[in-house]
Amino acid sequence: DAKTTQPPSMDCAEGRAANLPCNHSTISGNEYVYWYRQIHSQGPQYIIHGLKNNETNEMASLIITEDRKSSTLILPHATLRDTAVYYCIGPSSGSARQLTFGSGTQLTVLP
Amino acid sequence: GAGVSQSPSNKVTEKGKDVELRCDPISGHTALYWYRQSLGQGLEFLIYFQGNSAPDKSGLPSDRFSAERTGGSVSTLTIQRTQQEDSAVYLCASSFPSNTEAFFGQGTRLTVV
Repeated sequence: DAKTTQPPSMDCAEGRAANLPCNHSTISGNEYVYWYRQIHSQGPQYIIHGLKNNETNEMASLIITEDRKSSTLILPHATLRDTAVYYCIGPSSGSARQLTFGSGTQLTVLP
Repeated sequence: GAGVSQSPSNKVTEKGKDVELRCDPISGHTALYWYRQSLGQGLEFLIYFQGNSAPDKSGLPSDRFSAERTGGSVSTLTIQRTQQEDSAVYLCASSFPSNTEAFFGQGTRLTVV
């Protein structure tokens, strides 16, 4: 399984870029890295995923290192509504290939 | 509807009773997941359905838990003889082929008293 490690919490000033790191040193060559977030009392929300190239969508950018052992999720202009728990996850290598959520990073955007 | 729908949104039940939780996935999604989240904790995988394949039940915590998916669409999670430690938010998600973008419902908050 692609086990991931994230800092438990981070703060970011409103309007600044939030850079959330994730280590996934055991990821295999064909496993994607997924990012989800969970705003308090809501279900998780998909943000972005990538394999080895950097990715960008309307929500965020994902920077994956060349050796694929780590990645950074970037929220370019954080708002108060971005306060949430951010999960960096890789799929299970088992038959189900379920998304395995760790404990994530609690991002708090400060006014 | 456009999203994953779960019902009921809240359920309070007495210890020892059976409960059924329902999930309506997004139309056409072949993969369906059940997770639970205890207060202040992360998401715990329970069970996974993919098309007509046998479900992966490896996350079910005990034989009191079961789930079925009828016609490849609606899924029901059943908890028999509920215990207080079953109290949690039960989340359902669906997706196209597994591990593309998964869409989560808002969950069912189960409280066992």
